Amino acid sequence: GIQVEQSPPDLILQEGANSTLRCNFSDSVNNLQWFHQNPWGQLINLFYIPSGTKQNGRLSATTVATERYSLLYISSSQTTDSGVYFCAGYSGGSNYKLTFGKGTLLTVNP
Amino acid sequence: ETGVTQTPRHLVMGMTNKKSLKCEQHLGHNAMYWYKQSAKKPLELMFVYSLEERVENNSVPSRFSPECPNSSHLFLHLHTLQPEDSALYLCASSQGASGGYTFGSGTRLTVV
Repeated sequence: GIQVEQSPPDLILQEGANSTLRCNFSDSVNNLQWFHQNPWGQLINLFYIPSGTKQNGRLSATTVATERYSLLYISSSQTTDSGVYFCAGYSGGSNYKLTFGKGTLLTVNP
Repeated sequence: ETGVTQTPRHLVMGMTNKKSLKCEQHLGHNAMYWYKQSAKKPLELMFVYSLEERVENNSVPSRFSPECPNSSHLFLHLHTLQPEDSALYLCASSQGASGGYTFGSGTRLTVV
């Protein structure tokens, strides 16, 4: 199966700062997704982005499929952005196994 | 209700107990999943059901038994669990393998 690596593993920001989270894949992937897990465990789907760029408010994501990476941008961070950010993808075919990275733990301080 | 609903939110059970986790999706999706999230580990896929048929069983011990009676409901039956099975169990659904996933809020399980 594919390998998913996320960086950095931990990130501490002051409120209002911008940040970039990175996700690298060992092989070409379909179904690239970014998730945010809040402190209560809820996983929220942020983006479904197999390629290209999408924006949703202060968040945007870019996937360069040919170079096997994806970036998540957080601008003007807020304390509610704290939590763990996961990227995940799968290599296609009949295998439904979505492989997750280990996540980036983001802490936004007031 | 909308989205994916999991019950209970928290569960404490002894090693000799039998309990079940329930998941219900209101999105019209045709695939449902059980994931396990332990401390300091990536999310681990346990089971996948597509069109009510199990398509993935990721080497999960037999003390975990899934059931998918229809495309909207998914259960995880638990029996004779071990303390190391304590974790957050997450249910998800998608439309096909390539669709975006929607997760439930999870069941935080503690085995004592």
